[in-house]
Amino acid sequence: QKEVEQNSGPLSVPEGAIASLNCTYSDRVSQSFFWYRQYSGKSPELIMSIYSNGDKEDGRFTAQLNKASQYVSLLIRDSQPSDSATYLCAVNKAGGGNKLTFGTGTQLKVEL
Amino acid sequence: DGGITQSPKYLFRKEGQNVTLSCEQNLNHDAMYWYRQDPGQGLRLIYYSQIVNDFQKGDIAEGYSVSREKKESFPLTVTSAQKNPTAFYLCASNQGTTNEKLFFGSGTQLSVL
Repeated sequence: QKEVEQNSGPLSVPEGAIASLNCTYSDRVSQSFFWYRQYSGKSPELIMSIYSNGDKEDGRFTAQLNKASQYVSLLIRDSQPSDSATYLCAVNKAGGGNKLTFGTGTQLKVEL
Repeated sequence: DGGITQSPKYLFRKEGQNVTLSCEQNLNHDAMYWYRQDPGQGLRLIYYSQIVNDFQKGDIAEGYSVSREKKESFPLTVTSAQKNPTAFYLCASNQGTTNEKLFFGSGTQLSVL
């Protein structure tokens, strides 16, 4: 079992729709969770971070964390073509020396 | 502007050759990291350093070496022992405190001639 799992996609959504990206993790003591967006050939950029159960909203983005079920999700409302990218889920393991473990990423395509 | 500078942007390696990727940061961060990314894959940790003159192996350290002689610099050497070095290499840094995000450089694409 991979430490951080994501569906590789591609996930295709029409412009203006809600995109839902999911991530599961295996280590129950994981304590911080991050969503990065990566355009092709570029470095990842942080979209959201979440540390406690529940929802966290920032503009069109909402991160959801459920530690009991060991999943974290990212919702993108009113999806735009510029949101087309690969979204990487990253998890910080407790006692891991602040190292982040990344999933393989989900490719999102927002279609006109 | 504060940030992380990686160079070169593109690098080519011949068989049996060692090559060094540069990473410099002016963010005054204590911790620095090297990740490797293969096409369609996530990031895998090669080496990390939480303080000057100290570093630890990550998940895929074989065939790589690093040094941390200065706080600002964390160069990565891809040795001839790394048989499949073609990948996108990302350097990152942060203060090394709990739950802190990573700041990334722009990356180096390494290819084998």
